[in-house]
Amino acid sequence: NAGVTQTPKFRILKIGQSMTLQCAQDMNHNYMYWYRQDPGMGLKLIYYSVGAGITDKGEVPNGYNVSRSTTEDFPLRLELAAPSQTSVYFCASSLMDSYGYTFGSGTRLTVV
Amino acid sequence: EDKVVQSPLSLVVHEGDTVTLNCSYEVTNFRSLLWYKQEKKAPTFLFMLTSSGIEKKSGRLSSILDKKELFSILNITATQTGDSAVYLCAEDYGQNFVFGPGTRLSVLP
Repeated sequence: NAGVTQTPKFRILKIGQSMTLQCAQDMNHNYMYWYRQDPGMGLKLIYYSVGAGITDKGEVPNGYNVSRSTTEDFPLRLELAAPSQTSVYFCASSLMDSYGYTFGSGTRLTVV
Repeated sequence: EDKVVQSPLSLVVHEGDTVTLNCSYEVTNFRSLLWYKQEKKAPTFLFMLTSSGIEKKSGRLSSILDKKELFSILNITATQTGDSAVYLCAEDYGQNFVFGPGTRLSVLP
């Protein structure tokens, strides 16, 4: 009964490097989301998915890509890391839209 | 991993009522406790609490942290229908964050 699992928990990247943040859920939720949290700013939606094979942009998608090949997994890719992407990233899933969210434990990313 | 418990999970009130939402947490390496309001896909930030006994206030909303008893409350006075949302609390415990399940508040006219 893992819920939403995010890896890694911490990462330091150099400017221009790439990385993938992993997110997996075992609750058979259709909806999955990626957020970033900057201090005092709340959670900003990067991308979301309403089911396997379907993804859509959120409020702040620039610099990121996602894929949803299975119901369980929703990885977030940073292609050319920039200092502005230093943030805490959360993955979440829900059975229905805007209801009953389960959050992952977050990834603290620093780009230097 | 620490655990965050919220109560009640669901609450229905009428406009003008005052509500108190509860959040309790475990502590391994506590840094802060955060409250969010979620109406749509992205939760909006309400408060971050780090010090015990200091009330944070924003309009009709206020929150306080008790680090000895490991809980926080979120008060909403003179509720309005626009307060209807899911209220999340989350603990930043240094390694990472743990979110509670949320309290679904419905305010009826």
